[in-house]
Order: sequence, then structure tokens, then C-alpha cells
Amino acid sequence: SQKIEQNSEALNIQEGKTATLTCNYTNYSPAYLQWYRQDPGRGPVFLLLIRENEKEKRKERLKVTFDTTLKQSLFHITASQPADSATYLCALDFSGYSSASKIIFGSGTRLSIRP
Amino acid sequence: GAVVSQHPSRVICKSGTSVKIECRSLDFQATTMFWYRQFPKQSLMLMATSNEGSKATYEQGVEKDKFLINHASLTLSTLTVTSAHPEDSSFYICSAASWNTEAFFGQGTRLTVV
Repeated sequence: SQKIEQNSEALNIQEGKTATLTCNYTNYSPAYLQWYRQDPGRGPVFLLLIRENEKEKRKERLKVTFDTTLKQSLFHITASQPADSATYLCALDFSGYSSASKIIFGSGTRLSIRP
Repeated sequence: GAVVSQHPSRVICKSGTSVKIECRSLDFQATTMFWYRQFPKQSLMLMATSNEGSKATYEQGVEKDKFLINHASLTLSTLTVTSAHPEDSSFYICSAASWNTEAFFGQGTRLTVV
């Protein structure tokens, strides 16, 4: 069965540095890969989506890469701030060309940015 | 971005009773809605996927007779936890998506069964 692994359960970095989170998956590549932010007791909030034919996507201080050969996505937050502290989830969408899509989440990485 | 409203945000019920959770897409038509369960410090576990007007597809290990899902319209899906037990206490989250878009999540429902 498909597996999604986020290699770090927790990541602690200094404010101002770049945080890099990793998401690896097994078996076949999804149509889309997404990154979400989740704060305690809240539902996930969508951040970025990258398609299988895209290598990189940027949004303000966020950057996502998608390597279908390595079956890996990297999520970067540049110039990190304490407000970026949260759990970040990668999610794979296996919708393909079907409306009956299926979104599976990784276990998440809890990011802490210290001042 | 699109808004998905989930209600109630918190509910406490007695063991043996049923609880209904609503998920509404407020400004778009959701062809697919997903229901997830999340235990403390764990990731979201997909319970079922439902397409408007058809029966939900349940993930392995999820009892369809216990977790009743109805997706009667393009803007509303409901999850009913029947004969709830303390082990059903969890954070339940819905999400809604149209084909070829990202999913938008509700705020979640904290269910406590006493």
C-alpha cells in the first residue's frame, strides 16, 4: 500500500534560518502533492499544491519541490519566524483523472522556531 | 480561499447515543468530501470519501454501519457516529474538494464520549 513518510517528527531551528521539511512516498506518484499547516486543535490549512509535472513552486517565503524520480518533496520556509511554528503535513492526492479523489496525509513534522 | 464550515466544533455525548457532524462548503460546490479522524499527536487518518449522490467509500478498518456518511448535496455532507463509545472520542475533520483543486478543511469537531 502507499506510504508517506515525513522524516522528522519534530524540527527545532533558530529564527531567521531556513526550515526544510521532507516528505517521501512509496509506490506510484500522485497527481498532486500538497502541503498543509495545522495548529493545535484546528483543521489543516492549505499552503501549496504542486503537480507531478512541476519541479518547484513558490509562494512568498515558502518553496516546494517535487522529484518524482526520488519520490520526494521538500518544503522550505525561508527567513523563518516564531509564528511559523506549527505542524506541517504533506498530503498526496491520487485523484488522477477521476473525480473520486483520495487525499492521504503524512504523519506531520512539528516545527518550532526559537527566537 | 474557499470556506468549509464544520459544526459543531465541540460535542460531549453519553455512551450509546448518536452524534451528527455537519460539513458545509459555503462558496463552492464540492464534488467530493472527505472525513478524517485525528488522535492526539497523530496525523489525520482518512475514514471515508464521499461523492455527491453516491455511497461513501470507506477505508479499511472503518465500520460503515457505525460511521454513517451522507452526501446529499454538493454543499453538505454529514457524519453520524452511531452508538458512540469512549474509544470514539477523537477530533473529526472534514474536507471538501472539487475535481482538480486542493481540498479545503473544516475547523474540526472535538467529540468526547463519556
